[in-house]
Amino acid sequence: DMKVTQMPRYLIKRMGENVLLECGQDMSHETMYWYRQDPGLGLQLIYISYDVDSNSEGDIPKGYRVSRKKREHFSLILDSAKTNQTSVYFCASSSLTEVFFGKGTRLTVV
Amino acid sequence: AQRVTQVQPTGSSQWGEEVTLDCSYETSEYFYRIFWYRQLFSGEMVFLIYQPSFDTQNQRSGRYSVVFQKSFKSISLVISASQPEDSGTYFCALSERGGSALGRLHFGAGTQLIVIP
Repeated sequence: DMKVTQMPRYLIKRMGENVLLECGQDMSHETMYWYRQDPGLGLQLIYISYDVDSNSEGDIPKGYRVSRKKREHFSLILDSAKTNQTSVYFCASSSLTEVFFGKGTRLTVV
Repeated sequence: AQRVTQVQPTGSSQWGEEVTLDCSYETSEYFYRIFWYRQLFSGEMVFLIYQPSFDTQNQRSGRYSVVFQKSFKSISLVISASQPEDSGTYFCALSERGGSALGRLHFGAGTQLIVIP
């Protein structure tokens, strides 16, 4: 079953805390993504990973970092979360013709 | 710079009508792909259809088709016989990288569609 799994689905953190969002895929895709979605702005690319330890900044990388040590796992890390990082975060992986999305993680930073 | 523009923030149709959602994009690449996704009210993203730039034929998948106007850098999603279940937010996305990977996918802001029973 082709699937991108995100954990957790909902998360509340205090400002200044560290946040780890995890993503897994079972399709052996080389390329994976982290996006955030805010109302009226569509999906904005935070980071893209082309394979293990081959990561590139997207359009809004500031305040985020990523880790990809295995092809099937891609993590997004927020060091010292800020209230403006409250958003819905989507992980995705892609074949040549389709991008598969996880169901999203709703992060609230208070 | 905004690479993908969806000028209709909202739209509506009656059950059974044909719906057209517009998208324009900017690219200097010869080879690229355009994708359409629908986001359900739950937040889940559902792949609908994609158009590669090298294919002059408009793609079709079930009730979804596209009108691809490459010279104008525009592409419209056409939903035939719309149903209330088609309600949701529709996103157009551009991938500019060729080769063996899709590369960066740039999304428009989306069009929220409501199909009235």
